[in-house]
Amino acid sequence: GNSVTQMEGPVTLSEEAFLTINCTYTATGYPSLFWYVQYPGEGLQLLLKATKADDKGSNKGFEATYRKETTSFHLEKGSVQVSDSAVYFCALKAGGTSYGKLTFGQGTILTVHP
Amino acid sequence: GAGVSQSPSNKVTEKGKDVELRCDPISGHTALYWYRQSLGQGLEFLIYFQGNSAPDKSGLPSDRFSAERTGGSVSTLTIQRTQQEDSAVYLCASSEEGLPWDEQFFGPGTRLTVL
Repeated sequence: GNSVTQMEGPVTLSEEAFLTINCTYTATGYPSLFWYVQYPGEGLQLLLKATKADDKGSNKGFEATYRKETTSFHLEKGSVQVSDSAVYFCALKAGGTSYGKLTFGQGTILTVHP
Repeated sequence: GAGVSQSPSNKVTEKGKDVELRCDPISGHTALYWYRQSLGQGLEFLIYFQGNSAPDKSGLPSDRFSAERTGGSVSTLTIQRTQQEDSAVYLCASSEEGLPWDEQFFGPGTRLTVL
């Protein structure tokens, strides 16, 4: 079946540090890949997505590249801010009988200190 | 425009009671999803509605869980004979269609506590 494995947290960084959150996946066919973010007290919202191999999704200074050869979609940001403190979820949507539903990783808690 | 709304925002119930959770998707979205977020299990898919097609119920954890979507819009998730392990945040999402690359927009969730 489909699955997503995320780097275990929590991750604690100082402001302006470089961030990487690793994400690898197992899926049938050619999934679409997503990063969702959940800020404290708020709902899940889409951060970025990529729908085919070698696509790069980007938003708010975050980037992730769809690497089919390594089945990965690592999230990166060059300089984090305190406001980036949140829980980050990697997710995929695959075709076939799994059509439509998101399969999530376990989430990574990021805390950024001033 | 209005996003996905869910009600109630919080629900406390006693073990063995039935509960109904409501979701109002974004107007015009044909696909609707229910997920559950809990400490032990993370984010789990429950059920998916797409237009007039039969729903994908593959994520429902037991036959105590059911959901319906009336008129292609509002959806209700019903949990019968609630158990303590049903305590979680129940999230609803909708998307324009059910295509793999569609963004799913999430509601704020209903926090269910079973005593």
